Amino acid sequence: EPEVTQTPSHQVTQMGQEVILRCVPISNHLYFYWYRQILGQKVEFLVSFYNNEISEKSEIFDDQFSVERPDGSNFTLKIRSTKLEDSAMYFCASSEGGGSGETQYFGPGTRLLVL
Amino acid sequence: AQKITQTQPGMFVQEKEAVTLDCTYDTSDPSYGLFWYKQPSSGEMIFLIYQGSYDQQNATEGRYSLNFQKARKSANLVISASQLGDSAMYFCAMREGDNDMRFGAGTRLTVKP
Repeated sequence: EPEVTQTPSHQVTQMGQEVILRCVPISNHLYFYWYRQILGQKVEFLVSFYNNEISEKSEIFDDQFSVERPDGSNFTLKIRSTKLEDSAMYFCASSEGGGSGETQYFGPGTRLLVL
Repeated sequence: AQKITQTQPGMFVQEKEAVTLDCTYDTSDPSYGLFWYKQPSSGEMIFLIYQGSYDQQNATEGRYSLNFQKARKSANLVISASQLGDSAMYFCAMREGDNDMRFGAGTRLTVKP
């Protein structure tokens, strides 16, 4: 069964450093998403991406964040200058379509720790 | 304002019994989707079941069923015949139209042997 994959599974970085989180969405899916989950808290939407551009972003997704689809398979989230409060689990998700009825399938997550 | 409310931070159920996890939502959009995800201790988010706002019947997927009461804006997850492997966090989520998906705070389910 096709699945979303994410690398790395864990990342430790120093405050102020740049990190890139990588995702490979399900191959026939056209809509891609990033979410984060701070330890013990709810899952929060960051950004959605379709047709090579951001379709929606939350207030969390400020200028320190960017997303890219560098090739036909990868979807990346870059945090330019990490802060302590960026420590969280980051989930990539993908869906075939973009409507309210489309199921988003999540990857296993990348656990980011900023020291 | 909270869009998705899960009022049960933790629930316990005896193995082989059924359990209901509550979820209420708030929207004025007539078109929306409701989702339940399971998050085991390993951290991944596993899709369980979906209910569309226009669906006439309650969704079912194996041991999972969704008790959809549109007028009350509730979408409770029912797990029948609980198994030890059902112990996890369960998140209710809603997507209105083409907007982003919003998650509830989650319910931690513990299945007792």
